[in-house]
Amino acid sequence: AQSVTQPDIHITVSEGASLELRCNYSYGATPYLFWYVQSPGQGLQLLLKYFSGDTLVQGIKGFEAEFKRSQSSFNLRKPSVHWSDAAEYFCAVGLDNNNDMRFGAGTRLTVKP
Amino acid sequence: DAGVIQSPRHEVTEMGQEVTLRCKLISGHNSLFWYRQTMMRGLELLIYFNNNVPIDDSGMPEDRFSAKMPNASFSTLKIQPSEPRDSAVYFCASSLGIGGVRYFGPGTRLTVL
Repeated sequence: AQSVTQPDIHITVSEGASLELRCNYSYGATPYLFWYVQSPGQGLQLLLKYFSGDTLVQGIKGFEAEFKRSQSSFNLRKPSVHWSDAAEYFCAVGLDNNNDMRFGAGTRLTVKP
Repeated sequence: DAGVIQSPRHEVTEMGQEVTLRCKLISGHNSLFWYRQTMMRGLELLIYFNNNVPIDDSGMPEDRFSAKMPNASFSTLKIQPSEPRDSAVYFCASSLGIGGVRYFGPGTRLTVL
């Protein structure tokens, strides 16, 4: 069955440290791939997306993600985390030309001073 | 652009009452999605429309839930009668075409007492 998995429910990092949030998907073809961020009490904001082309994608707020076909992964990274990055992060995959979009369960990021 | 607009942002009601949630799409978008987010079930797709026509309502939990698009830029999600288990955050999202990138509104936090 098609699915998207975020293995880490909760991650804590120190401010200024690097960050990597994991996302794996199960799908026969290459899906469309997205990362959204949800701050407390807010909606989901699109950070970045991958449809095709360069597998390293740059997004807003200094985030990037890399599509690795061999690992069926689309991990989100940031070299230096800021306190304002504390939020919930959702990976999503779009199947069937993005007509069918599936969300991961989310990873909650806590940033320590 | 103002983005997707939802109202009200917060709704507290008593069991048995009718609740109507509202959503205004981003100008030019023609696909509209209603989601529900809870701690237990995460983000669930309830129903989506394309060009004002409901395409898939298989995620609507019960007949108590109904959604409409009276025009190309506006949608309502109605719960009648409401129950405490309907308490959740309800998001709408819009896109240009079903396969387009989905942009989310800020959500309506519904509490049914």
